[in-house]
Amino acid sequence: GALVYQYPRRTICKSGTSMRMECQAVGFQATSVAWYRQSPQKTFELIALSTVNSAIKYEQNFTQEKFPISHPNLSFSSMTVLNAYLEDRGLYLCGARATGGSYEQYFGPGTRLTVL
Amino acid sequence: GDSVTQTEGLVTLTEGLPVMLNCTYQTIYSNPFLFWYVHYLNESPRLLLKSSTDNKRTEHQGFHATLHKSSSSFHLQKSSAQLSDSALYYCALSDTGNTRKLIFGLGTTLQVQP
Repeated sequence: GALVYQYPRRTICKSGTSMRMECQAVGFQATSVAWYRQSPQKTFELIALSTVNSAIKYEQNFTQEKFPISHPNLSFSSMTVLNAYLEDRGLYLCGARATGGSYEQYFGPGTRLTVL
Repeated sequence: GDSVTQTEGLVTLTEGLPVMLNCTYQTIYSNPFLFWYVHYLNESPRLLLKSSTDNKRTEHQGFHATLHKSSSSFHLQKSSAQLSDSALYYCALSDTGNTRKLIFGLGTTLQVQP
């Protein structure tokens, strides 16, 4: 079956430092990967959409300078939170969409970021 | 802009009673896709139901929902709640069925008690 792994599951970083999180698709080829953030007491908010061989599209209020994303192949994507501050804390979710006709997006369990 | 509204943050009910979780949406798209995801603690959100067909009931794992474009609603229902249904439920919206971008509601926590 289709699975999405995210690593690390939890991480703590000091304010002003950076941390990298990874997303691995297993059992299918992820032509597109969407990164979401769920801040405390809020719903999932799209950060950016990454499609292999295409430019990464960032949503309003999110930038490449702050959340650089790498999507080098059909099974892996990573995102870094640069200069993390308190407002960056939350659950970061990776959603991967397979090739073919299925519209289903498979989610990982998320990386929970705590900023001290 | 597009949005999804789930009016209940928490729904608590007794096992065996019917479940209904509300979801309404706003969108500029004429053919939106609506989804229900179920999110158990420490697990990945999992697709439960999806639909883009007006007035057609869709079912999966005992749950069902019908997209009503006239009222912009996609309420999740189940005839009899089970303890294992306790989880966080998200309603989400996408345009043209391409789930690369989803707009989520705030989520509804369903607590089923014995």
